[in-house]
Amino acid sequence: QVQLQESGPGLVKPSETLSLTCTVSGGSIRSYYWSWIRQPPGKGLECVGFIYYSGRTNYNPSLKSRVTISIDTSKNQISLNLSSLTAADTAVYYCARAPGYSSFDLWGQGILVTVSS
Amino acid sequence: SYELTQPPSVSVSPGQTATITCSGDKLGDKYVCWYQQKPGQSPVLVIYQDIKRPSGIPERFSGSNSGNTATLTISGTQAMDEADYYCQAWDSSTVVFGGGTKLSVL
Repeated sequence: QVQLQESGPGLVKPSETLSLTCTVSGGSIRSYYWSWIRQPPGKGLECVGFIYYSGRTNYNPSLKSRVTISIDTSKNQISLNLSSLTAADTAVYYCARAPGYSSFDLWGQGILVTVSS
Repeated sequence: SYELTQPPSVSVSPGQTATITCSGDKLGDKYVCWYQQKPGQSPVLVIYQDIKRPSGIPERFSGSNSGNTATLTISGTQAMDEADYYCQAWDSSTVVFGGGTKLSVL
């Protein structure tokens, strides 16, 4: 059974860069879209961006200047870098899988990232 | 940018039918999916491609999509269905979520 596991720091300072990793176990990373979706405390879901296994990316226009998503098919990992952090970036960050321009059928457990000095 | 609009909250009595709407411009031309999220948990897909249920999702969950509105219907609502529900669609290679609806089973 395929599982997604997010990892990274739980606390980062303002103006710094957040780096998160999603590790896919029990299945292949190929032929899927992989997305980072975040949820500020008490608020709704927001797609940060996604990457196809081939490496093609698409980012949320409001975050595009600060986001980089990459994929390592040899390690079955998807990475997120988000720069110039502010308190508004505090959120639970989820990794999720989509078998095409469709729905996200598999989600990780999420990781809470707090931006604070 | 494309927007999806959901009512902030919906209340329903146990055993009754809950209806949650999601509105967007020409939404019927797009595929819509729905997620259920309980407190402290990750979202779970309950409806995809407007009307399809993933394996393991009870038959009481159904969906429709026409015109500018997609609808999630929960028939015979149970206490365990109390959760936040989010609609989602793709627009110009961009993922769009609705703001979410809190379903209360009273």
